[in-house]
Amino acid sequence: GESVGLHLPTLSVQEGDNSIINCAYSNSASDYFIWYKQESGKGPQFIIDIRSNMDKRQGQRVTVLLNKTVKHLSLQIAATQPGDSAVYFCAENRFKYQGGSEKLVFGKGTKLTVNP
Amino acid sequence: DTGVSQNPRHKITKRGQNVTFRCDPISEHNRLYWYRQTLGQGPEFLTYFQNEAQLEKSRLLSDRFSAERPKGSFSTLEIQRTEQGDSAMYLCASSSGQGAVGEQFFGPGTRLTVL
Repeated sequence: GESVGLHLPTLSVQEGDNSIINCAYSNSASDYFIWYKQESGKGPQFIIDIRSNMDKRQGQRVTVLLNKTVKHLSLQIAATQPGDSAVYFCAENRFKYQGGSEKLVFGKGTKLTVNP
Repeated sequence: DTGVSQNPRHKITKRGQNVTFRCDPISEHNRLYWYRQTLGQGPEFLTYFQNEAQLEKSRLLSDRFSAERPKGSFSTLEIQRTEQGDSAMYLCASSSGQGAVGEQFFGPGTRLTVL
């Protein structure tokens, strides 16, 4: 079935380095993606989103890149800090115009560990 | 705190018992979602409300599960005759739904343990 998934389950980086977390999706009709950060014991927290009419979007220390040709997106975190340690999920927002329902379809997540 | 709140935060129950969770969304949000998350996995969609109308239910939501949002504000998720496989984190999210899609804000979740 259609899915959103991640390449690597864990990523360990040194404080100050840049981090790159990758995600692949299978539904070529997908048009809206979101990256979430989830810290232990908390619900997912919105980081940044991107629509299919864009290739790149930047936020504060974060950049999301979307490659529709290979159905891949990535989250880049600049100057990674210990507070960035968490599990990161990419998610696809699926909206049904018939019925008006919507839902997020999440990948499994990548655990980012930032070493001081 | 004006975020999404969920109660209780933790629930331990014996197999076969019924449990009910509550979600209070952000006050102006008309869209409400329930998700289930097991250890090491991403959240899985359970159901979606727009105001008081339940517009979509996942196949994960067996007949032992029921969700309501009677006045279009808070929502409850009830699990009847709990099974050990129901042990998970149950997350609620809300959004204002401007246009086709809107950012979903998640609550802290209710962690259910079925013994």
